Amino acid sequence: DAKTTQPPSMDCAEGRAANLPCNHSTISGNEYVYWYRQIHSQGPQYIIHGLKNNETNEMASLIITEDRKSSTLILPHATLRDTAVYYCIVRSSSNTGKLIFGQGTTLQVKP
Amino acid sequence: EADIYQTPRYLVIGTGKKITLECSQTMGHDKMYWYQQDPGMELHLIHYSYGVNSTEKGDLSSESTVSRIRTEHFPLTLESARPSHTSQYLCASRALDSPEQYFGPGTRLTVT
Repeated sequence: DAKTTQPPSMDCAEGRAANLPCNHSTISGNEYVYWYRQIHSQGPQYIIHGLKNNETNEMASLIITEDRKSSTLILPHATLRDTAVYYCIVRSSSNTGKLIFGQGTTLQVKP
Repeated sequence: EADIYQTPRYLVIGTGKKITLECSQTMGHDKMYWYQQDPGMELHLIHYSYGVNSTEKGDLSSESTVSRIRTEHFPLTLESARPSHTSQYLCASRALDSPEQYFGPGTRLTVT
């Protein structure tokens, strides 16, 4: 599975959009980009995933560059409850379903 | 809300004791996983299972063992706990064709 690189921390003002970047320059053609978040040592929570098209759900939007070497998770209106560690993970659809977690980005939403 | 449960949530135990951490899910998921996470660190996969009677070791070597006798149940056992086993243990499950892993609340283990 491809390795990902994320900034260790970011701040965002409450009510503003939070844009979390992720680099995955060695991603293969059959590998998906997944985003999870972990709030204060609880179990991680799935947010969204995509292959090459942009995706949107009730939680967030995922923008994947055309060359697929990077992506951005967008929380459109961040709230204090969005403060968490956000993990970008690249995984093949053909493997065991294992998720390889990196250090992630600690997002601090400030009032 | 995911229907995956872990007990106990917190456990403080002495060195040398045998412990079993319970994980159960009511979603009928075939795939189940155990992760270990030290405070402030990333999660590491230690065990996984494709279904009943299937268990595999994960990416991080662990002295723990697991069993999968029933679909809904995936307990983790430490035969002789040591202080180095102090950590948080997270259980997860996934349906065969779903991209989403559901995580339990975790068991925070302290071995004194």
